[in-house]
Amino acid sequence: AQSVTQPDIHITVSEGASLELRCNYSYGATPYLFWYVQSPGQGLQLLLKYFSGDTLVQGIKGFEAEFKRSQSSFNLRKPSVHWSDAAEYFCAVGAPDSWGKLQFGAGTQVVVTP
Amino acid sequence: DAGITQSPRHKVTETGTPVTLRCHQTENHRYMYWYRQDPGHGLRLIHYSYGVKDTDKGEVSDGYSVSRSKTEDFLLTLESATSSQTSVYFCAISDSLGGGYEQYFGPGTRLTVT
Repeated sequence: AQSVTQPDIHITVSEGASLELRCNYSYGATPYLFWYVQSPGQGLQLLLKYFSGDTLVQGIKGFEAEFKRSQSSFNLRKPSVHWSDAAEYFCAVGAPDSWGKLQFGAGTQVVVTP
Repeated sequence: DAGITQSPRHKVTETGTPVTLRCHQTENHRYMYWYRQDPGHGLRLIHYSYGVKDTDKGEVSDGYSVSRSKTEDFLLTLESATSSQTSVYFCAISDSLGGGYEQYFGPGTRLTVT
């Protein structure tokens, strides 16, 4: 079975600074990998996904993520954060043969300071 | 935005009463999922469906049942609600797109069991 770890429960970043959120997974092969964002009181919105191919993937809102097989990681980055990026971020992993089921990490809360 | 609605959006109920939450989609996606979200746990899969009348258990299925009689509707029933089932419930839909799966989420239902 796959599992996902987001080591950072809470991150505070200044507006305009760069942001990196960590995600480590456990799975025997190359899984499907996702990052979602949840604003307060809202549902989850897909930021980006990795299925195969280029290991650097671009998403919405200026986010990117890099799949590193050797480190079993899929870290999310943004070069310059905006106050509107304050939210909770979830990494998720899915196995290709699992009816699309996903295993989610516990989430990282991002606070943006002026 | 994917066409997913959940009803009700908020509900307060008493311990021991049955509760049914509804998820409705207009996307004709094959797969549907019910998650619960609790602080520190991310999202945990309760049940999922891979077609009409085809359902299976997820990670935290005890005390819950589901039904899917039409492609567009997926019902989650708490047979006898308990305080531990106080949570935010999310429905998601998915389909196989180019060999991969990505889930789209509804707005959530906040359930309080008193």
